[in-house]
Amino acid sequence: DAEITQSPRHKITETGRQVTLACHQTWNHNNMFWYRQDLGHGLRLIHYSYGVQDTNKGEVSDGYSVSRSNTEDLPLTLESAASSQTSVYFCASSERGRTDTQYFGPGTRLTVL
Amino acid sequence: AQKITQTQPGMFVQEKEAVTLDCTYDTSDPSYGLFWYKQPSSGEMIFLIYQGSYDQQNATEGRYSLNFQKARKSANLVISASQLGDSAMYFCAMREGYSGGYQKVTFGTGTKLQVIP
Repeated sequence: DAEITQSPRHKITETGRQVTLACHQTWNHNNMFWYRQDLGHGLRLIHYSYGVQDTNKGEVSDGYSVSRSNTEDLPLTLESAASSQTSVYFCASSERGRTDTQYFGPGTRLTVL
Repeated sequence: AQKITQTQPGMFVQEKEAVTLDCTYDTSDPSYGLFWYKQPSSGEMIFLIYQGSYDQQNATEGRYSLNFQKARKSANLVISASQLGDSAMYFCAMREGYSGGYQKVTFGTGTKLQVIP
């Protein structure tokens, strides 16, 4: 069955370190998204991609970067982790169509000490 | 202004009863889509139901239905015959626009539903 996976599921890191969160989908979807979820804010869009070599900033992109070298993967990099980036991160994918329904990965809980 | 507003941070419902979770939205885009997702305590986000702005009929998926009132800009989720497994956070979301292929999805802050035996 097609799926979307994230790794690691839990990560603890220190302030200033570079961290990369992996996202891999086997739906063959063109669209991929990264969100962060914080209490009281719901989900907020960090970056998104509509295809290989395409990346775009979302509403909370400062301190994050992504690259899309193939259809299946959209890794999220925190260049220099900050305590404010402690959060749960969700990757999602969708195929452009009538509903554009996004399907989510299981999430990565990141703690920055 | 908030794009998606969920005014009920928490709700209780008796098992087997129906419950309505409120969602209002704000957009000037004539073409948009509304979604509901469920997030159980395990953390995954589960897609429940979709309503397009041009859909004439309210969407239904099993025990879930979306009460879409376009003029009032509301997209309430109705869960019939609540089950204990329905206890979760529920998020309303809206997809706007296709200008240049741009697809913006905004989520509400969620409603925590607890089903009482």
